[in-house]
Amino acid sequence: EIVLTQSPATLSLSPGERATLSCRTSQSVNNYLAWYQQSPGQAPRLLIYDASNRATGVPARFTGSGSGTDFTLTISSLEPEDFAIYYCQQRSNWPPLTFGGGTRVEIK
Amino acid sequence: DVQLVDSGGRLVRPGGSLRLSCEGAGFTFRSYAMHWIRQAPGEGLEWVASISATGGSTYYADSVKGRFTISRDSSKSTVFLQMNKLRAEDTAVYYCAKDLSRQVPTSGYLDSWGQGTLVTVSS
Repeated sequence: EIVLTQSPATLSLSPGERATLSCRTSQSVNNYLAWYQQSPGQAPRLLIYDASNRATGVPARFTGSGSGTDFTLTISSLEPEDFAIYYCQQRSNWPPLTFGGGTRVEIK
Repeated sequence: DVQLVDSGGRLVRPGGSLRLSCEGAGFTFRSYAMHWIRQAPGEGLEWVASISATGGSTYYADSVKGRFTISRDSSKSTVFLQMNKLRAEDTAVYYCAKDLSRQVPTSGYLDSWGQGTLVTVSS
C-alpha cells in the first residue's frame, strides 16, 4: 500500500497570502495524484488530478505540481473560502486508493 | 449538474447489518465507475470500495473485505453498499463518489461526491 504524508498538518495564513502544501508518497506514483478540498460540514471537492490538471470550475489560483514522490499544491492568493482541509490521493497502484492525512489551512 | 444523494445511514448495533444507497442524476450513470469513501468523526478520508461501470469488477479495502459488498443497479442509477458484521470502527460518514472518467480502466479520481450519510455502530 502506498502511504501519503502531507505537511504541514496546519498552515496558518492570512487572506491574500500564498499557501504551499506538500504531499510525499512512499513510492513513485508517477503523476497519478489528486488534491481535494473539504470545507467544514461539506463533502470533499476535487481540485487537481494527474498532479497538475485543474478539475472543472476550479479557479486558476490553485496550481498542482510534482511527479514521482513529491507533490505540491499552491494557492497563489488565499480567498476566505479557501480556508479548509486539503487532502492528496493517489491512484497509481490501486486498490487501494489511498489518501494523505490532510493539511488544515486556517486563518491567522 | 451531477447530483449524488446518499442515504441509509443510522445507528446500528455491533454485528448488525445496513445497506447504504446512492442515487445519481445529471450524468450517464451506467458509463461511470462508482466509489464509496468514509470519514470517521474528526478523521481523514478512507477508501472503502469501488465498482466498475458495468458492475463486473469490484474492489475493497482490506478493512471491509468479506463484510461489505458494493453493487449497482444502473436501471435505477443507484449504487449500494451492503454492510454486514458491523464494528465500532466502521462508525463514519459514508460518501459515494463518481469516477472522473468514462474510460476503462477506472481513473480512480473522484470528481463528484454525495452529501454523505452517517453510520454509527454502537450498543
